[in-house]
Amino acid sequence: DAGITQSPRHKVTETGTPVTLRCHQTENHRYMYWYRQDPGHGLRLIHYSYGVKDTDKGEVSDGYSVSRSKTEDFLLTLESATSSQTSVYFCAISEASGTYEQYFGPGTRLTVT
Amino acid sequence: AQSVTQPDIHITVSEGASLELRCNYSYGATPYLFWYVQSPGQGLQLLLKYFSGDTLVQGIKGFEAEFKRSQSSFNLRKPSVHWSDAAEYFCAVGAILTGGGNKLTFGTGTQLKVEL
Repeated sequence: DAGITQSPRHKVTETGTPVTLRCHQTENHRYMYWYRQDPGHGLRLIHYSYGVKDTDKGEVSDGYSVSRSKTEDFLLTLESATSSQTSVYFCAISEASGTYEQYFGPGTRLTVT
Repeated sequence: AQSVTQPDIHITVSEGASLELRCNYSYGATPYLFWYVQSPGQGLQLLLKYFSGDTLVQGIKGFEAEFKRSQSSFNLRKPSVHWSDAAEYFCAVGAILTGGGNKLTFGTGTQLKVEL
C-alpha cells in the first residue's frame, strides 16, 4: 500500500469552527489531491497540488483552502465549518508521469453539528 | 467536461457466479480509465487502469475490464466471484490538469453483494 496517512481519522466539530485535516505521504510523489465522498455523488475533487506551494481548485472548492509547504504534507482547511461539509474526506497522491494513477489514503470522517 | 455513469447502484450475485459491472464515460479525447474498489470504512484501492494499447486489461484480484471506444464503455468483469469481493466499486475517468496531475471524475458507484 502507498504510504499515505490522514489525521484525524474522525472528527466532530460545531458549525462555524475552523477545521484542518492533514494528509501525509512517504512516497515523495509530486501530486496530491483532496476529495470528498458523499452518498450519490461518488468522489469529487476539492483542491489539488502539483508541487510545493503550487495548488489549484477542483470542482467543489468553495469553503475550503489548502496549503502545501513540504512535499509530504497537504493540508485542507475549512475556515468556518458548515453542516454541508459533513462528509468523508480522502487524500490521494500520484506520480509525475505515466497514467497518473492515484493512490488513496484511509479517509477522515468529519461531522459538523 | 468528462462524466461517468454507473447505471447499477446495487448488484447481488451468488458466490462462484460471473460478474459484470457497467461503466459508461463521456470524454472528448482518449481517456484514462480506472476501476477502484472500496471496502466499508476503507480508502479506495486501484483495481486496474487503461490508457492505450490492448483494450482488455487485467487487474488485481482476478478482475479484468474491456475498453470499447464505440460504446464509450469500460465494463469490469470477473469470471467467478468470491465472498470477499463484496464492496463498492467505482469507475473513474481521468483528465490531465493544468500543471500536470490528473483529475479523476468518478461514477456514483455500484454496491456489490455476494450471496453464499
